[in-house]
Amino acid sequence: EAGVAQSPRYKIIEKRQSVAFWCNPISGHATLYWYQQILGQGPKLLIQFQNNGVVDDSQLPKDRFSAERLKGVDSTLKIQPAKLEDSAVYLCASSLGRVSYEQYFGPGTRLTVT
Amino acid sequence: AQRVTQPEKLLSVFKGAPVELKCNYSYSGSPELFWYVQYSRQRLQLLLRHISRESIKGFTADLNKGETSFHLKKPFAQEEDSAMYYCALTGAGKSTFGDGTTLTVKP
Repeated sequence: EAGVAQSPRYKIIEKRQSVAFWCNPISGHATLYWYQQILGQGPKLLIQFQNNGVVDDSQLPKDRFSAERLKGVDSTLKIQPAKLEDSAVYLCASSLGRVSYEQYFGPGTRLTVT
Repeated sequence: AQRVTQPEKLLSVFKGAPVELKCNYSYSGSPELFWYVQYSRQRLQLLLRHISRESIKGFTADLNKGETSFHLKKPFAQEEDSAMYYCALTGAGKSTFGDGTTLTVKP
């Protein structure tokens, strides 16, 4: 089966600019996750969707980050405006369900904010 | 709040030696525990989960609720085990990852 796809793979922007990341999960997976992974740390959950509804966005900095999952399939994560501390790898993952299911990860997008 | 702690950032062993990667967690309910692995230039992928009680690539992990631990063990490490290992907890549908341990298996 095709894996989780993400684009772009790399992005360099200046602070205060905006950026968007795209994720296409595995077909049939109801749950989609966006993680932020800062160098030297583990993935930190930003937002979790169940189909096209938000299940958890408690760690999403809502003043600058937004995400949507239209039609319960693809998802986009946006940062506007970016700050230096947003430099990280942004991982998308999907799973069949919310509990006890394996998460399948995409390759990630490496964002550098200068 | 749920929390996962992996006390060792780096772990180095010789080939054929036993290896144990530590994971401690904090969660008030009944957690689901996982170990994920990331090999060089590959995606993060599931290694094993506690509910399956399985052995994958010679690795096992036992959930100890009394000590709130889920340590990953392998009796004889191989060079191909060199990778980054993350312990993860899912509680009430929310996932939390530890900061990972880099395992290096020397020849």
